[in-house]
Amino acid sequence: GQQVMQIPQYQHVQEGEDFTTYCNSSTTLSNIQWYKQRPGGHPVFLIQLVKSGEVKKQKRLTFQFGEAKKNSSLHITATQTTDVGTYFCAGKKEEIYNQGGKLIFGQGTELSVKP
Amino acid sequence: NAGVMQNPRHLVRRRGQEARLRCSPMKGHSHVYWYRQLPEEGLKFMVYLQKENIIDESGMPKERFSAEFPKEGPSILRIQQVVRGDSAAYFCASSPRLARGTDTQYFGPGTRLTVL
Repeated sequence: GQQVMQIPQYQHVQEGEDFTTYCNSSTTLSNIQWYKQRPGGHPVFLIQLVKSGEVKKQKRLTFQFGEAKKNSSLHITATQTTDVGTYFCAGKKEEIYNQGGKLIFGQGTELSVKP
Repeated sequence: NAGVMQNPRHLVRRRGQEARLRCSPMKGHSHVYWYRQLPEEGLKFMVYLQKENIIDESGMPKERFSAEFPKEGPSILRIQQVVRGDSAAYFCASSPRLARGTDTQYFGPGTRLTVL
């Protein structure tokens, strides 16, 4: 079945350093979404990428969707302690008859930031 | 506009009891998804429902688990005869019916189930 692999599993950085997490799918995705989950919290939607090669920015966060729509990355510039949490990518399975579809989540990358 | 609501937030059951988890989607959302998250792991898809219909239940265990989304009221995830391995956080997400490829799922706060 469709799989979404995410690396690294853990990343420890010093505040101010950059951070990147990578996501790879075994199959072509219709879109990819990124979520952030704080410890003890629930996944919070960050962004959705739909187009091949798409790049979107949210302040210090940069999201990319690969040309083949099989991989994606999230890059955080100059991390802050508020960035702590687990970042998940989630690939959208191809829709059937325009009825939406389930998300296949990567395992997540847990980011810790040392002040 | 209230977000996705789940209750209870915490649920403790003894082995063999039943667990009922409820999810009220965001207003205007007609699609509901249930996910399970084990400690230190990602989210695993369980089931996708629309009103009165199960669209995709490929992630549901074959036994003891069932889900419904009635015409009126919240979506219910039901676990019969719980075992310790069912202990996890169960998240519900909802999305509106939008054009192909553009829907976004919004997650509720989750129900943390502990089986003693």
